[in-house]
Amino acid sequence: QVQLQQSGPGLVKPSETLSLTCTVSGDSITNYYWSWIRQPPGKGLEWIGYISHIGSTNYNPSLKSRVTLSLDTSKNQFSLQLSSVTTADTAVYYCAKISGSLGLDFWGQGTLVTVSS
Amino acid sequence: QSALTQPASVSGSPGQSITISCTGTSSDVGAFNYVSWYQQHPGKAPKLLIYGVSNRPSGVSNRFSGSKSDNTASLTISGLQAEDEADYYCSSYTSSSTLGLVVFGGGTKLTVL
Repeated sequence: QVQLQQSGPGLVKPSETLSLTCTVSGDSITNYYWSWIRQPPGKGLEWIGYISHIGSTNYNPSLKSRVTLSLDTSKNQFSLQLSSVTTADTAVYYCAKISGSLGLDFWGQGTLVTVSS
Repeated sequence: QSALTQPASVSGSPGQSITISCTGTSSDVGAFNYVSWYQQHPGKAPKLLIYGVSNRPSGVSNRFSGSKSDNTASLTISGLQAEDEADYYCSSYTSSSTLGLVVFGGGTKLTVL
């Protein structure tokens, strides 16, 4: 069974870069596609983007200029970087595995990231 | 404003059936069989209930079922139970270049009376 464990700071200052990592256990990250999703407090889900098993990416156009997804196959991890953050980026960030038909079948525990000085 | 439209809330009594709709366009729900449904309890990560419009992952109760007609997908929960009280989200692949790969609905809060 695949498990995803998220890590990273819960507080980021405005204009700085948010960085989160998702460590996968139970299978190799080279076997699947992976995604990041966020959820502002009290609001709905927002797709951030995905990274394939070979590192190709697709980003939400609204975030594309600020987002970078990457893979570290040696550590079985994938990561999210979001630059120039503002208070509007305050949200719970989730990593997830993409299954067939684009369903997200395994999720990380979520990380609340607050953007504040 | 979310790309897919869901009712903000629905309610039902234990044992009843309810249906949650998810309305999109001919660029997403209407064009592809890539609709998924998720259940989210407060403070928890979403859980995949349905993928590919009507397929249930292993371990998901057969009380949950999905369907699609034209630009609207639906999630039906039969034999409502207290533990079904949660938020429900739909998602779909989209061919719109302005929205990215996947769009979500705004979510529906299910109250079990």
